[in-house]
Amino acid sequence: QSVLTQPPSASGTPGQRVTISCSGSSSNIGSNTVNWYQQLPGTAPKLLIYSNNQRPSGVPDRFSGSKSGTSASLAISGLQSEDEADYYCAAWDDSLNAHWVFGGGTKLTVL
Amino acid sequence: QVQLVESGGGVVQPGRSLRLSCAASGFTFSSYGMHWVRQAPGKGLEWVAVISYDGSNKYYADSVKGRFTISRDNSKNTLYLQMNSLRAEDTAVYYCALGYMDVWGKGTTVTVSS
Repeated sequence: QSVLTQPPSASGTPGQRVTISCSGSSSNIGSNTVNWYQQLPGTAPKLLIYSNNQRPSGVPDRFSGSKSGTSASLAISGLQSEDEADYYCAAWDDSLNAHWVFGGGTKLTVL
Repeated sequence: QVQLVESGGGVVQPGRSLRLSCAASGFTFSSYGMHWVRQAPGKGLEWVAVISYDGSNKYYADSVKGRFTISRDNSKNTLYLQMNSLRAEDTAVYYCALGYMDVWGKGTTVTVSS
């Protein structure tokens, strides 16, 4: 069971806006920034959002991130077929054994 | 450009050891912390360990603490993961990642099986 909680699946039709949630606690999301990763089938993960809402160069502005309290969200607008992938949130956890934690991942299906 | 290439994976019996390597290029390796992250077949990502830029600080996931050791050789631009007392549940693709996990390698597969 993952420390960060994500819905296992999400879906949308081309052009739609979808959001994926990531719920944590005061020791991780509540006190540290959140990253989001996209993993296309059969490939390594790719950084999509860092520091809650920053996009690395090359990531389309259709992707956006936000954080409030102990939760974070990834929004994808203008959904495209190539967005079909697994999405993971991650954050540093300040608990007794300091470590990074990932969400369980959300499989996004473009209908 | 930034490149991370993992190697050293393979099939190993339970209880045995294996050392993974991650060769880095295209950036100043000695300036960045580095991670190992793994993904079991059909499962999500699991963070394994991180090492600071100079090797002075290391942190581990509870699942590998005491069995795995992360290290680096800045003169060789290489990151390592020494895995001892391997278990079936360590079977996964192992990725190395740079900095705040902003760049990832393609991974190397470790299978623990008798």
